[in-house]
Amino acid sequence: ETGVTQTPRHLVMGMTNKKSLKCEQHLGHNAMYWYKQSAKKPLELMFVYNFKEQTENNSVPSRFSPECPNSSHLFLHLHTLQPEDSALYLCASSQDRGLDYEQYFGPGTRLTVT
Amino acid sequence: RKEVEQDPGPFNVPEGATVAFNCTYSNSASQSFFWYRQDCRKEPKLLMSVYSSGNEDGRFTAQLNRASQYISLLIRDSKLSDSATYLCVVIPNNNDMRFGAGTRLTVKP
Repeated sequence: ETGVTQTPRHLVMGMTNKKSLKCEQHLGHNAMYWYKQSAKKPLELMFVYNFKEQTENNSVPSRFSPECPNSSHLFLHLHTLQPEDSALYLCASSQDRGLDYEQYFGPGTRLTVT
Repeated sequence: RKEVEQDPGPFNVPEGATVAFNCTYSNSASQSFFWYRQDCRKEPKLLMSVYSSGNEDGRFTAQLNRASQYISLLIRDSKLSDSATYLCVVIPNNNDMRFGAGTRLTVKP
């Protein structure tokens, strides 16, 4: 199933590096999301975009910077991360942002910060 | 209090067993509820929505109790392929999903 794709699947980076995560959805959806999943913790919503406009930023540190150039693509730019930022980063999309819309997740990028 | 709390698990059950998971939520204004399933090292996928009147999908039954603010998932006749982590999801009135930490289920032969 390739509805939502993410690259890279695995990333190891030093604290001084700059890298970007990419997400692409092929479902014609209008809303896209970034989540962080740490071991034994709930998924944490980071950013929400609806029709390319950022509608939510859940107190995420500025070392994470999202970009949504169009409704099919979503990026997460990373710089000067900390070891505690190591986690699985999941992208998701839904038809629209609303109560009854199923979210479809990508396979995630497993990030390790050394 | 956490927004969404689930049974800590893990649940280890034999094939054919019936198993139930509970989930409580803190925001009484929550309007939509779901169960997602996440296999090991995979992404979450929607298992089923939870409706006020309760709903069933094959071996899976979901129920909602608004007064007590909890949701349940019942799995009958467990299969090996049911082994996964089950995520309780609640949408409060601001339209974004809130996830529980998940309950891990292992079904053994």
